[in-house]
Amino acid sequence: QKEVEQDPGPLSVPEGAIVSLNCTYSNSAFQYFMWYRQYSRKGPELLMYTYSSGNKEDGRFTAQVDKSSKYISLFIRDSQPSDSATYLCAMILRSTGGYNKLIFGAGTRLAVHP
Amino acid sequence: ETGVTQTPRHLVMGMTNKKSLKCEQHLGHNAMYWYKQSAKKPLELMFVYSLEERVENNSVPSRFSPECPNSSHLFLHLHTLQPEDSALYLCASSQEGTRVGEKLFFGSGTQLSVL
Repeated sequence: QKEVEQDPGPLSVPEGAIVSLNCTYSNSAFQYFMWYRQYSRKGPELLMYTYSSGNKEDGRFTAQVDKSSKYISLFIRDSQPSDSATYLCAMILRSTGGYNKLIFGAGTRLAVHP
Repeated sequence: ETGVTQTPRHLVMGMTNKKSLKCEQHLGHNAMYWYKQSAKKPLELMFVYSLEERVENNSVPSRFSPECPNSSHLFLHLHTLQPEDSALYLCASSQEGTRVGEKLFFGSGTQLSVL
């Protein structure tokens, strides 16, 4: 079983739709949860960062964490064509080497069409 | 100037060539990373340098050799690669030892093709 499961998509939605992206994980030791956005031919950029269970909102983006179910989500409201990208969930494990180790999902490709 | 710069952006090499990837970070961070990104697979952590000391070598074949001469620069030396090594190689940096150390900042990557 993979440590982090993420549906690769692609997910195609019309402009203005609400998008829901999800990841599940198996290791209850994960402490921090992130969403990265990666445009074509670019590196990932940090979009959202959460620690505790619950919701965190930033503009049109809401990150949700449910530690009891080992499930995280990213919601995008009023989606725009500029949101078309690959979205990667990531989780932090404190390594035995004393530094933080990010474990990534495979990424979900999102296309928002006008 | 972007925070993490990688060169070259694209590289095509034969299996007998030797080449190097370069990464430079302008963020004052103390940790640097190499990741490999293959199609439809999660990012794979290859190497981590913290305070210029290698702290992780994630079972990477010896044909990949990292070098970190200082906290701002990171290299990945490549020799006798295989076609399955074709991928996007991403460099990242972070500030370890602080709460924000969990946040990685990535470069745009080097798209490597091995013929």
